[in-house]
Amino acid sequence: AQSVTQLDSQVPVFEEAPVELRCNYSSSVSVYLFWYVQYPNQGLQLLLKYLSGSTLVKGINGFEAEFNKSQTSFHLRKPSVHISDTAEYFCAVSYRNSGNTPLVFGKGTRLSVIA
Amino acid sequence: DAGVIQSPRHEVTEMGQEVTLRCKPISGHNSLFWYRQTMMRGLELLIYFNNNVPIDDSGMPEDRFSAKMPNASFSTLKIQPSEPRDSAVYFCASRRQGETGNTIYFGEGSWLTVV
Repeated sequence: AQSVTQLDSQVPVFEEAPVELRCNYSSSVSVYLFWYVQYPNQGLQLLLKYLSGSTLVKGINGFEAEFNKSQTSFHLRKPSVHISDTAEYFCAVSYRNSGNTPLVFGKGTRLSVIA
Repeated sequence: DAGVIQSPRHEVTEMGQEVTLRCKPISGHNSLFWYRQTMMRGLELLIYFNNNVPIDDSGMPEDRFSAKMPNASFSTLKIQPSEPRDSAVYFCASRRQGETGNTIYFGEGSWLTVV
């Protein structure tokens, strides 16, 4: 069965500092990987996704993530955060080559950017 | 595209009352998901449909919860009778089945408070 572990429930960081939000997954088959962002009082928006090809994926708002198959990780990074990046970030996984199964989400990491 | 549309956005109801949440998926999407978000349990999948047919309802917490999808453009999630522990944000999401990468698009959520 698939599962997603987000190792940090909260990450405080100062404005303009770099940040890394960690995500590890477990699956016995190949997967697609996603990061979603949820701003306060809003729904989830897709930030980026890894399907195949280059292991470094670039998303919106300057975020990027790197797929590491040997470490079963998909950590999210940004070199310099802004106050507006304050939000909850969710890592998610689904089976490769399946159009029918839903995403499995991690419990989320709350990023707080401090001025 | 209009995105996934949910109603009501906010609802406050008394314990024992019936609650009906509504969802209109993105046009052309044929998979629909209902998720529940709470502080304690994070984001949980309640049920999902493919082509209007319920595929997996194992996440529905109790018989008090029911979901229907009478056609491709409308779904409801009903709680009867409601209890305070049902207070949560309920998200509807949709996806074009078979789309590579299985991106799921979320609505803005229905914020339910049962008092």
